[in-house]
Amino acid sequence: DGGITQSPKYLFRKEGQNVTLSCEQNLNHDAMYWYRQDPGQGLRLIYYSQIVNDFQKGDIAEGYSVSREKKESFPLTVTSAQKNPTAFYLCASKWQTGTETGEQFFGPGTRLTVL
Amino acid sequence: AQSVTQLGSHVSVSEGALVLLRCNYSSSVPPYLFWYVQYPNQGLQLLLKYTSAATLVKGINGFEAEFKKSETSFHLTKPSAHMSDAAEYFCAVSEGGNTGFQKLVFGTGTRLLVSP
Repeated sequence: DGGITQSPKYLFRKEGQNVTLSCEQNLNHDAMYWYRQDPGQGLRLIYYSQIVNDFQKGDIAEGYSVSREKKESFPLTVTSAQKNPTAFYLCASKWQTGTETGEQFFGPGTRLTVL
Repeated sequence: AQSVTQLGSHVSVSEGALVLLRCNYSSSVPPYLFWYVQYPNQGLQLLLKYTSAATLVKGINGFEAEFKKSETSFHLTKPSAHMSDAAEYFCAVSEGGNTGFQKLVFGTGTRLLVSP
């Protein structure tokens, strides 16, 4: 089945540690996105990538980093510089054609908790 | 920049009652609008989208939404609520312009509660 997978589903981190969240898609989508979701705040864009080896900062990129070495993979690293990393993280992807109107497909999410 | 306002963080209805979830947007260009649904601890699933064709858009699970330019609204409705409709609903507007990139701006979400 085609889709987006995120791992792990739950992640616990001690303060000061970097952690990497995985996002893989087999939909052959060009564009990939990372969002952060906090209660009552909706989704906020962290980073996005339109093609391999290229990515751009979103609205809340500070304290995060990404890479896009393969079309199907877009891992997100939450660094120790992120002051409040506890949140639900969602990865999404879409076809690049029909850019404005196309649907973004979402993964199941990773819930990160800092202890 | 575009923005989305969803009135009411929580909406409660009885099973079989009309569902109305409100969404207003601000946009300097003709918008593309989306409604997504999220069940607990899951990702988002597209319910429907408006892309400047018909102003009344039908989606999955019996939901529909009407684009009203004069009111800058895109409210989501369903004639008869079902227990399985209990979830969080997000309205989003596409902000990309001529960049060749789709950036979705989301509202803060409305949690729909359905009672028996």
